[in-house]
Amino acid sequence: AQSVAQPEDQVNVAEGNPLTVKCTYSVSGNPYLFWYVQYPNRGLQFLLKYITGDNLVKGSYGFEAEFNKSQTSFHLKKPSALVSDSALYFCAVRDPHAGNNRKLIWGLGTSLAVNP
Amino acid sequence: GAGVSQSPSNKVTEKGKDVELRCDPISGHTALYWYRQSLGQGLEFLIYFQGNSAPDKSGLPSDRFSAERTGGSVSTLTIQRTQQEDSAVYLCASSSGSGTQYNEQFFGPGTRLTVL
Repeated sequence: AQSVAQPEDQVNVAEGNPLTVKCTYSVSGNPYLFWYVQYPNRGLQFLLKYITGDNLVKGSYGFEAEFNKSQTSFHLKKPSALVSDSALYFCAVRDPHAGNNRKLIWGLGTSLAVNP
Repeated sequence: GAGVSQSPSNKVTEKGKDVELRCDPISGHTALYWYRQSLGQGLEFLIYFQGNSAPDKSGLPSDRFSAERTGGSVSTLTIQRTQQEDSAVYLCASSSGSGTQYNEQFFGPGTRLTVL
């Protein structure tokens, strides 16, 4: 069955340090992968996606994610965290064999806290 | 251009009453999704509309929940005989149907439903 796992409920990092938010998936074939962010009291926003091509994807606000097929992972990273990055992050995957159904499978989210 | 809008932003109702939540997707987006997010939790998929195809209702938690999408645009999520466990933020998202099947979803601000 298709699934997405975000193994950490919460990640704490000091401002200026690199951050990683982990995501692993289970989908047959090559998946389509997404990261979304939910800032406090704001709606969900798209950050970046991997469809094909370069395994390193760059997105909004200085975030990037690396697709690793052998490890079935798509970890979100940022070289230097900001306090304003504190938010809830969601990983999502779409089965490329799902035909016209564009439904995504969502992880449970990881709360990122960046401490000043 | 306007984003996804939802109304009302907040709804307080009494147990047993019916409620209707409205979503206006981005103009031209053929795909529309409803999700539910309980406090501090991940996204729970409810229903997905794609063009004129039959909707994917696999996420609706009970027959008290229903949704329709009129004219391929506005959607209404109806909850009949509301229960306290229905209290959550209901999110709507839309995405374009340009022929590719991996376009990101754009989310509305959500409707916060409180059932007393």
